[in-house]
Amino acid sequence: AQTVTQSQPEMSVQEAETVTLSCTYDTSESDYYLFWYKQPPSRQMILVIRQEAYKQQNATENRFSVNFQKAAKSFSLKISDSQLGDAAMYFCAYRRWNAGNMLTFGGGTRLMVKP
Amino acid sequence: KAGVTQTPRYLIKTRGQQVTLSCSPISGHRSVSWYQQTPGQGLQFLFEYFSETQRNKGNFPGRFSGRQFSNSRSEMNVSTLELGDSALYLCASSLEATYNEQFFGPGTRLTVL
Repeated sequence: AQTVTQSQPEMSVQEAETVTLSCTYDTSESDYYLFWYKQPPSRQMILVIRQEAYKQQNATENRFSVNFQKAAKSFSLKISDSQLGDAAMYFCAYRRWNAGNMLTFGGGTRLMVKP
Repeated sequence: KAGVTQTPRYLIKTRGQQVTLSCSPISGHRSVSWYQQTPGQGLQFLFEYFSETQRNKGNFPGRFSGRQFSNSRSEMNVSTLELGDSALYLCASSLEATYNEQFFGPGTRLTVL
């Protein structure tokens, strides 16, 4: 079974600074997807960024980028120019390549942004 | 386009009762997944339905069941409620089951007394 681990329960960052959230996972499969989801205090989960395991290039979405290290099974999220609206729970998630929409989530990291 | 809607948003039940939660996916979405979120266990996958068929099932007891209707709306049922079933239940929908993004609803907060 796949497992996803987020070792930082809480992180804080100063507004406009950069922060990196860590995620490691365990799988025996070679093809899969990885995701970062954001859950603001209102509770509605939204997708931040995704990465296909076969792609060597790291995904980027505006101020969000990932550092995907397949051999090390590491998938960190970097948030640049942090904004107050970035404060939320962030979940790393894994999905098998061709097995429907079942997501395996990490325990989450609570990100606080200081003005 | 309207997002994923879940009803009710809040629910209070007592032990031993049963409960039914509803999820209406985004129009055109055929896949609906359910997740349980608790402070202790985090986010755990319950099941996924696609075209009225259960495609994936998580590691939950048989008290947890679900179904999907022809219009893609989905319901999940929990029978013989236990205190540990208190959780936020999230529903997510997507077009298909491949690369498509999943969109989450706001959740139903279930409290079991």
